[in-house]
Amino acid sequence: LAKTTQPISMDSYEGQEVNITCSHNNIATNDYITWYQQFPSQGPRFIIQGYKTKVTNEVASLFIPADRKSSTLSLPRVSLSDTAVYYCLVGDQAGTALIFGKGTTLSVSS
Amino acid sequence: GAGVSQSPRYKVAKRGQDVALRCDPISGHVSLFWYQQALGQGPEFLTYFQNEAQLDKSGLPSDRFFAERPEGSVSTLKIQRTQQEDSAVYLCASSLVPRNEQFFGPGTRLTVL
Repeated sequence: LAKTTQPISMDSYEGQEVNITCSHNNIATNDYITWYQQFPSQGPRFIIQGYKTKVTNEVASLFIPADRKSSTLSLPRVSLSDTAVYYCLVGDQAGTALIFGKGTTLSVSS
Repeated sequence: GAGVSQSPRYKVAKRGQDVALRCDPISGHVSLFWYQQALGQGPEFLTYFQNEAQLDKSGLPSDRFFAERPEGSVSTLKIQRTQQEDSAVYLCASSLVPRNEQFFGPGTRLTVL
């Protein structure tokens, strides 16, 4: 499974756009990129998944360059409630277990 | 509909005691996963069920850990002779099919004294 590297922490203010970049240099052809969000005392929650180019849903956008060696999760106009840990995961659709790293702790202030 | 539920939410055990943690997955979800999350770390895979079959238990840290899902729905994670290093949050997740979006429960926080 491809290893991922992402910043340990990020700080932002309400209303700003936040971009969290994840590096996955050894991503395989069959691998997808998935992001999960975790609030304190809760289990992780699926945010978005993509294979290439750009994916957008009601919560976030995921940008994946052509070489797929990195990806960027973009959260538009964050609020205090977006304070959480964000995990970048890489794996193929045939796998089962999710492999989490330490994630990025995002702190949003007013 | 209801999400994944886990019970108890908190469990305190004395070292050497046996504990049983329960997971009720989303109805109809074929796949069920258990993860262990230490403080400040990401969740780590323990074991995986497809229906009642335990297809992967490679993440179980020792033979003191045992999981079952006898009827393909509710699952129980049992830890025998608990040790202090077992203290963690135990998360259960389910998905409709393997490798699809996994839905996590709130976890059970186990503290071993």
